[in-house]
Amino acid sequence: QKEVEQNSGPLSVPEGAIASLNCTYSDRVSQSFFWYRQYSGKSPELIMSIYSNGDKEDGRFTAQLNKASQYVSLLIRDSQPSDSATYLCAVRPMNTGFQKLVFGTGTRLLVSP
Amino acid sequence: DVKVTQSSRYLVKRTGEKVFLECVQDMDHENMFWYRQDPGLGLRLIYFSYDVKMKEKGDIPEGYSVSREKKERFSLILESASTNQTSMYLCASRARGNNQPQHFGDGTRLSIL
Repeated sequence: QKEVEQNSGPLSVPEGAIASLNCTYSDRVSQSFFWYRQYSGKSPELIMSIYSNGDKEDGRFTAQLNKASQYVSLLIRDSQPSDSATYLCAVRPMNTGFQKLVFGTGTRLLVSP
Repeated sequence: DVKVTQSSRYLVKRTGEKVFLECVQDMDHENMFWYRQDPGLGLRLIYFSYDVKMKEKGDIPEGYSVSREKKERFSLILESASTNQTSMYLCASRARGNNQPQHFGDGTRLSIL
C-alpha cells in the first residue's frame, strides 16, 4: 500500500462546477496535511494546509480532514479554467519522525470552459 | 514571502561530468530538501538537511551527494552524471516545527546527454 494515494485522473469538470479531489494515507499517526498545485512545467505551489479534523476554508478552496478514515480532500468551488493543473496531496507521517513530507503522485484536474 | 532560488532553470551536461545544483533560501529555514520529479513517479526525496553540515538520505540517494556549509544554501552534487539522472530537480525549504509547510524553488530541468 502506498503511503499517500491519489487518483491520477484526469478529473474533468465544467467551468463553475465544484471539483472534489481526494487523498488517502496509510500512517494513522500522521500530523500535517498539505495540498499543492502544480502547473505543467512548474514547481509545486502550496495552496492549503490542514492539521485537525474538520473543514478549513480559504476563498474558493476547502480542505477536509478525517483522521479516523485517514482521508483528506480538497474542494474547489466555482472552478475556473485557470485551476487546470495537477494537485498534489502531502502528508507528514510519524514513521519519518515527522521530518519529511510524503507526496502522492497527484490528480490532474481539467476545467473546461 | 519565502523565496527559494535554484541557480539554473535548464541545464545540459554530458555523461560522466560532475554536476552541481545550487539552492538558496532567504527565510533562515533549518530544513532543506532535494527532490527529483519524473512522469508517473511523482516527487522522490533524494536528500534532506535539518541543520548546517547535517544531511540525511532520502529515498533515492544513490549517485548523489549534498553539501550544506551555510544555513541558506543546500547543494546537490551528481558525482558522475548518467542519462538516467535526466529529470526535473526541485529544492524546498521549511522552518522547524511539525506544521510548517515546504516551499519549493522553480526547479532545474537537467538533461544528461
